[in-house]
Amino acid sequence: SQQGEEDPQALSIQEGENATMNCSYKTSINNLQWYRQNSGRGLVHLILIRSNEREKHSGRLRVTLDTSKKSSSLLITASRAADTASYFCATDAEDSNYQLIWGAGTKLIIKP
Amino acid sequence: EAGVAQSPRYKIIEKRQSVAFWCNPISGHATLYWYQQILGQGPKLLIQFQNNGVVDDSQLPKDRFSAERLKGVDSTLKIQPAKLEDSAVYLCASGRRGNTGELFFGEGSRLTVL
Repeated sequence: SQQGEEDPQALSIQEGENATMNCSYKTSINNLQWYRQNSGRGLVHLILIRSNEREKHSGRLRVTLDTSKKSSSLLITASRAADTASYFCATDAEDSNYQLIWGAGTKLIIKP
Repeated sequence: EAGVAQSPRYKIIEKRQSVAFWCNPISGHATLYWYQQILGQGPKLLIQFQNNGVVDDSQLPKDRFSAERLKGVDSTLKIQPAKLEDSAVYLCASGRRGNTGELFFGEGSRLTVL
């Protein structure tokens, strides 16, 4: 079953602009993760935020988590052409038995 | 450390034929997952192993799909007979024991059923 829903489904911006993607989920979680998938490749882990954290940074990435709204956002600052990819959120629900539940992803296109 | 290895990268078969995919996880990772990813969608879990035991195979179409993880290391996923709707990328991922932290994915095996 899919718990996470990313929004928007697709996003196209100019290089250098910031990109924001959102993820909503349904049940209580232990953590939420963001992954990137380049076309034709496997998924790569970007960042993990735990349920007791509200914000986390990694390089040009900033993730926020609002457990009261059951939502998260991923901000990529100063976007580059290499950021073109699909971005997925995945949640580790409290009763999930070590499984991640995935959204359908946001397809991000960075125009040069 | 070496990543998750998968083979073959691409496979084209006729419907009703069989196919097998192989995965070698990162050394020491106890959990292994097989996902099916249809174009434009997120990964869908097919089966989850903890060492060589099955944790969850509730979404595995058991009439045609089978998977095993011998000796808690390598794993194979088999489809027999294949249907058109099985066309997808099959992703293998591994993770550390008892930790739903980061998953490490292979490059995937793209299956086309004609």
